[in-house]
Amino acid sequence: GAVVSQHPSRVICKSGTSVKIECRSLDFQATTMFWYRQFPKKSLMLMATSNEGSKATYEQGVEKDKFLINHASLTLSTLTVTSAHPEDSSFYICSASSNRRSYEQYFGPGTRLTVT
Amino acid sequence: LAKTTQPISMDSYEGQEVNITCSHNNIATNDYITWYQQFPSQGPRFIIQGYKTKVTNEVASLFIPADRKSSTLSLPRVSLSDTAVYYCLVGDLRGYSTLTFGKGTMLLVSP
Repeated sequence: GAVVSQHPSRVICKSGTSVKIECRSLDFQATTMFWYRQFPKKSLMLMATSNEGSKATYEQGVEKDKFLINHASLTLSTLTVTSAHPEDSSFYICSASSNRRSYEQYFGPGTRLTVT
Repeated sequence: LAKTTQPISMDSYEGQEVNITCSHNNIATNDYITWYQQFPSQGPRFIIQGYKTKVTNEVASLFIPADRKSSTLSLPRVSLSDTAVYYCLVGDLRGYSTLTFGKGTMLLVSP
């Protein structure tokens, strides 16, 4: 149980385009989902926290107009990188938490974004 | 959230027991300690979580002294596939608090 999926696993896009990444909790309802970014050989950095049905809370330094987060249902959250630039190339990871598993966050497999 | 300090890297050989210690001197009363494992280009995987004393599951043990200012993740008889980065996190997990990842410990297991 407690499986979180992400789609796509890899994506390459051109500068200036937008990319959407999906995060799904497959076998539980995720009231809260988190989005992280990880650069090579670095640790995970929290970008934002999203609660189902409400606006996401962004960490300091993360542009909310550039990284659009939608958490429309208890099993799906999306991260859209708008007007992507090469410096947005990174590994994006989501995690999900539920009432029954509030002590644990379950992480997705990650999405490798490359902006050319 | 309490800041954590871990060794940057550790080396071991197959079949040995590995102990990774994490310092969290300013841990709060309501804070839990959680350890994650991450392989390259994969999301972190939950290993174990505890509040005090000792916790054991099928993959690891977690030792927490009475003052809770540190914790030790113990991996029995490691194999090559245990080569990964291990993160120690401390935070109030009663609700939906955020997790702050430190730099982690890169464990390299050799034949």
